[in-house]
Amino acid sequence: AQKVTQAQTEISVVEKEDVTLDCVYETRDTTYYLFWYKQPPSGELVFLIRRNSFDEQNEISGRYSWNFQKSTSSFNFTITASQVVDSAVYFCALSEARDYKLSFGAGTTVTVRA
Amino acid sequence: NAGVMQNPRHLVRRRGQEARLRCSPMKGHSHVYWYRQLPEEGLKFMVYLQKENIIDESGMPKERFSAEFPKEGPSILRIQQVVRGDSAAYFCASPPAPNQETQYFGPGTRLLVL
Repeated sequence: AQKVTQAQTEISVVEKEDVTLDCVYETRDTTYYLFWYKQPPSGELVFLIRRNSFDEQNEISGRYSWNFQKSTSSFNFTITASQVVDSAVYFCALSEARDYKLSFGAGTTVTVRA
Repeated sequence: NAGVMQNPRHLVRRRGQEARLRCSPMKGHSHVYWYRQLPEEGLKFMVYLQKENIIDESGMPKERFSAEFPKEGPSILRIQQVVRGDSAAYFCASPPAPNQETQYFGPGTRLLVL
């Protein structure tokens, strides 16, 4: 069974600070996919990034970056120079190649104060 | 959201009534996943459908809930004899292409049972 753990319940920062969200996962499959989704106060779920299990290269996309480490089963996500519009709940998720259904972590609420 | 549509956006029902939630993936796309977001339980997978087939319903409650995705028309999530505990946000998601790992979510239906 797959499992995703987001230990941080809430994070509050001041604008322009960096925010790092932690995610730890469990899966028995060798091929799997990791995601970060954002849920702003308006309630929709917005896809942010995806990483495949066979690609550990870490990248930066604008103000977003991620650190995928298979050795520790972690997939952390960083927002650089946070803005008030980044205030949202962020979900880490995992799917396996057999069916692609998503298992979500409990979410981390990020509040960015002006 | 890759053109995933859901309606209604908000639905109010009294206990014992039926709720019908609709999801339309992008035209021509045939895979739909339903998820439920309960206030204290987070986002959970419910059911995975392809046109005219239920592929995985392991997350569906055993009673009162059913789902379909007919050859023509949207996918329907049906809840019979709703109870207050059914109050939640219901999201459908669809990959942009078959066997695509990334799921894009519709805006969700907020169900309130009075």
